[in-house]
Amino acid sequence: SAVISQKPSRDICQRGTSLTIQCQVDSQVTMMFWYRQQPGQSLTLIATANQGSEATYESGFVIDKFPISRPNLTFSTLTVSNMSPEDSSIYLCSGMVPPGELFFGEGSRLTVL
Amino acid sequence: LAKTTQPISMDSYEGQEVNITCSHNNIATNDYITWYQQFPSQGPRFIIQGYKTKVTNEVASLFIPADRKSSTLSLPRVSLSDTAVYYCLVGGPNTGFQKLVFGTGTRLLVSP
Repeated sequence: SAVISQKPSRDICQRGTSLTIQCQVDSQVTMMFWYRQQPGQSLTLIATANQGSEATYESGFVIDKFPISRPNLTFSTLTVSNMSPEDSSIYLCSGMVPPGELFFGEGSRLTVL
Repeated sequence: LAKTTQPISMDSYEGQEVNITCSHNNIATNDYITWYQQFPSQGPRFIIQGYKTKVTNEVASLFIPADRKSSTLSLPRVSLSDTAVYYCLVGGPNTGFQKLVFGTGTRLLVSP
């Protein structure tokens, strides 16, 4: 199993600013993912965080807006850049252990004013 | 990508057995089927995972027919605390377990 810690758990930000969300896993996971979830909606995959290389982004998400780092096997960051109210959402970090079980953090609730 | 289809919502009463079916018609040979439970303001939590036939753990059973184009999550004797959203995901080593895409999920409401 894996325990995933995210911070901040919530934040209120001003339009045009950027926020970095940190994700720490207590054990080595093979893959790490970042998801976004609007209230009452399902999870949308933003990107796969690759260790030591550029993240793999899903359609509709770009590196300039959501830069992601993964310097080692147990840590990743997601930055939401130049925020607008449309970026208000819950951002979830996830780690995967074979053969495909995902563990999630509690999420970071972002509100952009 | 193996896309999944589930009922949007289900209602049940305490003590009943609940079966939630997920369709995944284009599942790949090496794909696993995994179910997650999500409560409000929490991240999804793993319930059960299987490849074929039947898998049972302390909280649920997973039934997978021979063609593997669908799966059924069975929750025995549900309680109010089982009210949550349930997601099925399909993925496997051929895709590096990448693109574990969540479908709409099934919102289960358990009433007294």
